[in-house]
Amino acid sequence: EDQVTQSPEALRLQEGESSSLNCSYTVSGLRGLFWYRQDPGKGPEFLFTLYSAGEEKEKERLKATLTKKESFLHITAPKPEDSATYLCAVQAGPGGSYIPTFGRGTSLIVHP
Amino acid sequence: KAGVTQTPRYLIKTRGQQVTLSCSPISGHRSVSWYQQTPGQGLQFLFEYFSETQRNKGNFPGRFSGRQFSNSRSEMNVSTLELGDSALYLCASSLRRGGGSSGANVLTFGAGSRLTVL
Repeated sequence: EDQVTQSPEALRLQEGESSSLNCSYTVSGLRGLFWYRQDPGKGPEFLFTLYSAGEEKEKERLKATLTKKESFLHITAPKPEDSATYLCAVQAGPGGSYIPTFGRGTSLIVHP
Repeated sequence: KAGVTQTPRYLIKTRGQQVTLSCSPISGHRSVSWYQQTPGQGLQFLFEYFSETQRNKGNFPGRFSGRQFSNSRSEMNVSTLELGDSALYLCASSLRRGGGSSGANVLTFGAGSRLTVL
């Protein structure tokens, strides 16, 4: 069974204070690892897909990295508008489920 | 282009009632998935439809059902509501080519339907 564990559950940062969110996963093969952002009262919004260990992707202040067991979402010099819940999901490889399995998310609050 | 549209956005029901939620996917997306989101369990997969056929089903009781129409719009129904069914119900559409399972399944979510059961 595919499993995704995100840590920490909640994170409070001061504006400009860089940090990282962790996503540990267990999956039968890996077709893709996804990061989503969810704002209060809204559905998750897609950020990145990572496919293989060593891959990195960046978008503004966010950088996602992937190893064989975990992924990190690095947030550099965050701003208050980066406050949101960040969700990680994995999709299994051939023979596995096409349906992504989600972690419970990390709630990030960035104080001005 | 228009995103995923879910209706209604908010609803309040009482135990024992039933509810129907609607989802209009992004134009061209033929796969529609439904998720239940609660603070305690996170995002839990309900079911996925492609070309009017249920392709995958999560671990939920038979009170939860769904269907997809020829225009890819989807509905989900929950019968005999229980207090524990209170949740945000999210619909997501994706571009699943040919009904196969290849490729990364990037989901585009709607804003959700917030169901409160009293």
